[in-house]
Amino acid sequence: DTEVTQTPKHLVMGMTNKKSLKCEQHMGHRAMYWYKQKAKKPPELMFVYSYEKLSINESVPSRFSPECPNSSLLNLHLHALQPEDSALYLCASSQDGLAGYTGELFFGEGSRLTVL
Amino acid sequence: GNSVTQMEGPVTLSEEAFLTINCTYTATGYPSLFWYVQYPGEGLQLLLKATKADDKGSNKGFEATYRKETTSFHLEKGSVQVSDSAVYFCAQTKNTNAGKSTFGDGTTLTVKP
Repeated sequence: DTEVTQTPKHLVMGMTNKKSLKCEQHMGHRAMYWYKQKAKKPPELMFVYSYEKLSINESVPSRFSPECPNSSLLNLHLHALQPEDSALYLCASSQDGLAGYTGELFFGEGSRLTVL
Repeated sequence: GNSVTQMEGPVTLSEEAFLTINCTYTATGYPSLFWYVQYPGEGLQLLLKATKADDKGSNKGFEATYRKETTSFHLEKGSVQVSDSAVYFCAQTKNTNAGKSTFGDGTTLTVKP
């Protein structure tokens, strides 16, 4: 069983909709990540939060807006998406450098997004 | 920059065959190395890892050894099962604060009964 929980598992939205993806972990990890994965491709990093502060933004379009309300939760707000944004969105967490970081990522099962 | 190169797939094997998936990396310094596995319809999960040269990671019959001299981390299993069918990703991460992991392109393994 994964210890990173993502909801919803599937989401279909139109290009004018606003929706959110949610991620939760209770492993005490202080780093959380959003990745985008297209079919048969490796995950691509979008955002990294470390101690609830955004530390990496990989030049992601502003129609994707991350939020980290507390150390256990990570959201990805979606607005005015394009069909090419359809993908599997993966949340991950890890320990950070101050807590014995080993680089291991713990992934959720993902939210499969379809933009019509 | 840092990169990971994996053996191209797809790989198709019969049950009980020997598996090798090659992985080489380029990096400054000494990264940690990982193999992740992704089963159909699921997220990635860690299969095994090695954090320094000559370390051997192992799990579920899979093994990989961190070879600094050849900058490699090849995945092996002596006898594959149908349930091993999945996509395998090699990855590296620097041993510093939370940041970027670099993934290989992935290798799709299909094991036939």
